[in-house]
Amino acid sequence: EVQLVESGGDLIQPGGSLRLSCAASGFTFVTYAMSWVRQAPGKGLEWVSGISGSGTRTFYAGSVKGRFTVSRDNSKNAVYLQMTGLRGEDTAVYFCAKGSRGTVAVAAWDSWGQGTLVAVSS
Amino acid sequence: QSALTQPASVSGSPGQSITISCTGTSGDVGGYNFVSWYQQHPDRAPQLIIHDVNNRPSGVSHRFSGSKSGNTASLTISGLQAEDEAYYYCSSYTDSSTHVFGTGTGVTVL
Repeated sequence: EVQLVESGGDLIQPGGSLRLSCAASGFTFVTYAMSWVRQAPGKGLEWVSGISGSGTRTFYAGSVKGRFTVSRDNSKNAVYLQMTGLRGEDTAVYFCAKGSRGTVAVAAWDSWGQGTLVAVSS
Repeated sequence: QSALTQPASVSGSPGQSITISCTGTSGDVGGYNFVSWYQQHPDRAPQLIIHDVNNRPSGVSHRFSGSKSGNTASLTISGLQAEDEAYYYCSSYTDSSTHVFGTGTGVTVL
């Protein structure tokens, strides 16, 4: 059974940094792309970032490009999201999602974690 | 990248069929067959119900089907059931090498 468990969410001041982690199990991790998707309170889904199965290719939404960095450690079955320069509009539940394929472009997100809350406020 | 456009809400009676539209551009929905649909119940994680325009993952009800014409994708739920009451989001790959979600549609079973 696929399991994705996010951690690292917190209350953080504007301008601060935070690192989210997602621990994966139940599948051959290196084979699949992974993504981070966020959902602001009462709002819709927003795709944030994706990383290929090998970790060599990364992609970002325009709203976070230059501030967020996605990475993965295939030896630990984990994917990370390093967030810097946090703003109020980054407040959201951040979901980790498993891709249906190894390439971000052609992947759909077929398993999701329960999310971790990031709140940016002074 | 702007969100794909979905109707805010759609409703139907049990047993009826409803269709949710998802309108994008030639740079996303119209340009790629990488359109997927997700169902999200309140306070739950999203669940993939359609991928690659019209393919159902294993375990997803046959009552869900997808299609695409030009820059608009559609999700049809046939034989509407109470358990289908949820939010539905479309998503597409884009020519900016990103993914984009739709604005979301709340489905109400009357």
